[in-house]
Amino acid sequence: EDKVVQSPLSLVVHEGDTVTLNCSYEVTNFRSLLWYKQEKKAPTFLFMLTSSGIEKKSGRLSSILDKKELFSILNITATQTGDSAIYLCAVPLSRDSNYKLTFGKGTLLTVNP
Amino acid sequence: KAGVTQTPRYLIKTRGQQVTLSCSPISGHRSVSWYQQTPGQGLQFLFEYFSETQRNKGNFPGRFSGRQFSNSRSEMNVSTLELGDSALYLCASRGTSGLLDTQYFGPGTRLTVL
Repeated sequence: EDKVVQSPLSLVVHEGDTVTLNCSYEVTNFRSLLWYKQEKKAPTFLFMLTSSGIEKKSGRLSSILDKKELFSILNITATQTGDSAIYLCAVPLSRDSNYKLTFGKGTLLTVNP
Repeated sequence: KAGVTQTPRYLIKTRGQQVTLSCSPISGHRSVSWYQQTPGQGLQFLFEYFSETQRNKGNFPGRFSGRQFSNSRSEMNVSTLELGDSALYLCASRGTSGLLDTQYFGPGTRLTVL
């Protein structure tokens, strides 16, 4: 069965800390992995990773994929209270042209001032 | 471009009733997917529609159904509501059917079943 596992499930840090969020996956026909940030309602897209070893970066956020070891990490440096959110990892699954995102349970990040 | 919109944003129903949720995708997007989000189960896939056809369905009972119209707008219906159907229902749209095309989510409809 395809699955996506995120760790830790929750994390509390102080402003300025650096955090690393983990996502491991076991899926057939892997093509890509996506990271989303969910603050109150809609998950907002952060990164799509398709190739091993290539870092995607956006400001203080960065992510990398290891296709051999089947995991991805999301790094946030110099955290701010506005980074508090649920971070979701998802893998698109496709069989017979049918598409769905399988999500991990998410990591709840709380950044305290 | 306007984002994905969902109506209503909040809904309170009682057990046994039925409910219809609406989703308007990003202009030009033809794929609409629905997800249920609960604290215990996280985000779970309900179904995907592309060009008015349901292409994929998750592991939910037949009480959950949907449809898509020619303008790509989609509706989701839940009949005979149960307490466990209380959740955030998220709609997401994609431009194409390609695997590498990203899904963009709407703000969700918060359904509470009493």
